[in-house]
Amino acid sequence: TQLLEQSPQFLSIQEGENLTVYCNSSSVFSSLQWYRQEPGEGPVLLVTVVTGGEVKKLKRLTFQFGDARKDSSLHITAAQPGDTGLYLCAGAIVTDKLIFGTGTRLQVFP
Amino acid sequence: NAGVMQNPRHLVRRRGQEARLRCSPMKGHSHVYWYRQLPEEGLKFMVYLQKENIIDESGMPKERFSAEFPKEGPSILRIQQVVRGDSAAYFCASSPARISGANVLTFGAGSRLTVL
Repeated sequence: TQLLEQSPQFLSIQEGENLTVYCNSSSVFSSLQWYRQEPGEGPVLLVTVVTGGEVKKLKRLTFQFGDARKDSSLHITAAQPGDTGLYLCAGAIVTDKLIFGTGTRLQVFP
Repeated sequence: NAGVMQNPRHLVRRRGQEARLRCSPMKGHSHVYWYRQLPEEGLKFMVYLQKENIIDESGMPKERFSAEFPKEGPSILRIQQVVRGDSAAYFCASSPARISGANVLTFGAGSRLTVL
């Protein structure tokens, strides 16, 4: 069974701080996606990374896919209260399904 | 172009009753996925369907749960004889084709099932 472990599970920080969320697995993924989910809503896609070592930036968010395509990280610079939410990584495997990580709940206080 | 539509958004059932959750994929999408989410947890894969075919149901319990995606109409996730442990948010997602770097899933807002 493929498993994606995210760390930390919970994160509470002050506005303006930086943070990194990690997503690790022993499995190789053809692509990896990051989603953000707000209470009462479905996950919303933030980014997809496909190539090992790939780095993508989305404003204050930086996503990296590990060289071996087994892990990924999400770095947020100068966090804002609007960044609060549940962050989920998800890996695509050859059988055409997405396996989701365990989730990181981020709270940013003003 | 409406997104993925799920209904009902909230459903309350008593133990032993049946729950039917419906999902209309985005226009032009023929691949549907169902996921289950417990509070404060990630999403657990249940089943992957294409029109009239179940492709992968490895995440779905063998008993009481079934899913279909008919040629016409929405995809249905059916839970018979519900138990309290079935209480969760059930999310549907659709894709225009097989998942790859270019094709991603679009999620609905979910159906929240509460079993009393």
